[in-house]
Amino acid sequence: DAGVTQSPTHLIKTRGQQVTLRCSPKSGHDTVSWYQQALGQGPQFIFQYYEEEERQRGNFPDRFSGHQFPNYSSELNVNALLLGDSALYLCASSPTGAEQYFGPGTRLTVT
Amino acid sequence: KQEVTQIPAALSVPEGENLVLNCSFTDSAIYNLQWFRQDPGKGLTSLLLIQSSQREQTSGRLNASLDKSSGRSTLYIAASQPGDSATYLCAVRETSYDKVIFGPGTSLSVIP
Repeated sequence: DAGVTQSPTHLIKTRGQQVTLRCSPKSGHDTVSWYQQALGQGPQFIFQYYEEEERQRGNFPDRFSGHQFPNYSSELNVNALLLGDSALYLCASSPTGAEQYFGPGTRLTVT
Repeated sequence: KQEVTQIPAALSVPEGENLVLNCSFTDSAIYNLQWFRQDPGKGLTSLLLIQSSQREQTSGRLNASLDKSSGRSTLYIAASQPGDSATYLCAVRETSYDKVIFGPGTSLSVIP
């Protein structure tokens, strides 16, 4: 059984561009959460998706949006990229109400 | 608002030493507490998860304790090895459906 997978592994974008990150949850997991981890800091919660709806949201601007598909996979979209958006973006999946399992992350660099 | 802190921010020890990493949280009404390991540039590996009704969990050379009333958890690593070098993150969850709230981490270096 594959764990949580994320793509791409690394990404370089220019300030002002838009980016889409993808996450495939573990088999049987219906909840997907996204976190942003800046260098030297702990991960910060962005939002959580369940049954294709955003269930919770952290303190992130509307430039950050997401989507969950019927197969439970998810996308994170960031518009109008800023230099400060450079970070490791982590996806976590879980069965409803259970322990979260984290993917390897996508390293986004904004230049 | 729940906040998680970790002390120390960085720690360097010689191989073979026993060590303790500390985690504090401001609101004792938690659902569970989890310790993670993160290697540089990599994702998170779950080490131990303690439910709110539990006092400790053990896995190999690792032992984590939880004192909800004081808002503290410790991760004890016995007989440290160079392969233990990584950042250790503490995280709490306030309900079964809630987000995970992370501390800033402790960067551990075990010197051969």
